Amino acid sequence: AQSVTQLGSHVSVSEGALVLLRCNYSSSVPPYLFWYVQYPNQGLQLLLKYTSAATLVKGINGFEAEFKKSETSFHLTKPSAHMSDAAEYFCAVRDSSYKLIFGSGTRLLVRP
Amino acid sequence: KAGVTQTPRYLIKTRGQQVTLSCSPISGHRSVSWYQQTPGQGLQFLFEYFSETQRNKGNFPGRFSGRQFSNSRSEMNVSTLELGDSALYLCASSLVAGTEYNEQFFGPGTRLTVL
Repeated sequence: AQSVTQLGSHVSVSEGALVLLRCNYSSSVPPYLFWYVQYPNQGLQLLLKYTSAATLVKGINGFEAEFKKSETSFHLTKPSAHMSDAAEYFCAVRDSSYKLIFGSGTRLLVRP
Repeated sequence: KAGVTQTPRYLIKTRGQQVTLSCSPISGHRSVSWYQQTPGQGLQFLFEYFSETQRNKGNFPGRFSGRQFSNSRSEMNVSTLELGDSALYLCASSLVAGTEYNEQFFGPGTRLTVL
């Protein structure tokens, strides 16, 4: 069965610093992976998705993620954090019945 | 194009009552999925409807049910509410169902509090 694990329930960075949010997946078949962001009192917004066309995926708001099969990872990065990036981030994998399985989420805090 | 809308946004009920939540998908989208979000269990899939048929179901008791209408709008119902049903209920719509890269667009959710 497919699953994702997000390491670190909370990550704190300074404004302008690198953002790195970790996601490892478990899948016996090629995974279909997604990163979503949730701002307070809002639904989820898709940041990016892995489509197997390229291992480095660029998303919205300057985020990108690299698919590494050897490490079963799909970590989310952003070179320079902005205060507006403070939110909760979810990694997700689509399972064999096409439903999304979400990780437990990582809350990003950006310090001024 | 309008996004996914969910009504009501906030709801307070007491144990034993039932509740109905509504979701209107993006125009042209035919698939609607429902998720429950709680601090303890995170985001969990409830069910998915496509063309008025339930095509996928998560691991929730039968008190949780849903349906989809011919205009793709969907409702979910929870009967005999329990305290543990307090959660944010998210609806997501997509053009079709059953594809790998099918992008789901989420609504703002309905915050249900059971007292």
